[in-house]
Amino acid sequence: QKEVEQDPGPLSVPEGAIVSLNCTYSNSAFQYFMWYRQYSRKGPELLMYTYSSGNKEDGRFTAQVDKSSKYISLFIRDSQPSDSATYLCAVLSGGYQKVTFGTGTKLQVIP
Amino acid sequence: DTAVSQTPKYLVTQMGNDKSIKCEQNLGHDTMYWYKQDSKKFLKIMFSYNNKELIINETVPNRFSPKSPDKAHLNLHINSLELGDSAVYFCASSPDRGVQSPLHFGNGTRLTVT
Repeated sequence: QKEVEQDPGPLSVPEGAIVSLNCTYSNSAFQYFMWYRQYSRKGPELLMYTYSSGNKEDGRFTAQVDKSSKYISLFIRDSQPSDSATYLCAVLSGGYQKVTFGTGTKLQVIP
Repeated sequence: DTAVSQTPKYLVTQMGNDKSIKCEQNLGHDTMYWYKQDSKKFLKIMFSYNNKELIINETVPNRFSPKSPDKAHLNLHINSLELGDSAVYFCASSPDRGVQSPLHFGNGTRLTVT
């Protein structure tokens, strides 16, 4: 079983839709949760970073963590064609920066 | 003014060859990493250096040897290349090795072994 599971998609939505991306993880030692966005032929870039259970909002993006069920989500409101990318969830336990990534969900927002 | 730059962008080579990938960051970060992304987009850490000191060494064949001449550079040398080494290799850096330091990735080196 992979430490972080993520539906690979692809997920196609019309412009303006609310997008929900999800991950589950297996190890309760993970304390830090991140979402990275990766455009085609580019490196991943950090989108959201959260430590605790609950919601964290940044503009159109909301990250949600439920540690009791080991479930993390990213919501994108009013999705735009420029949001078309692969979204990677990532987790981290304490100690050195050894980030474990999910396999990514490819999102396409259709104008 | 690229923050994390890797060379070359593309590398096509034959099995058995030896090749190197170079990485440089101009962000003043202390920690640098090599990640491998396979054809299914799975991104996995290989190595991490903090101030030229190796701090993470995942289960990677010893044909892969990282070298950090200074904290702004981290190179990856691969001996006796195999078909399974074909992947995208990403260099990354972070301000320090603390857990809240975000990773800054380069745009990858696409290695194809034929």
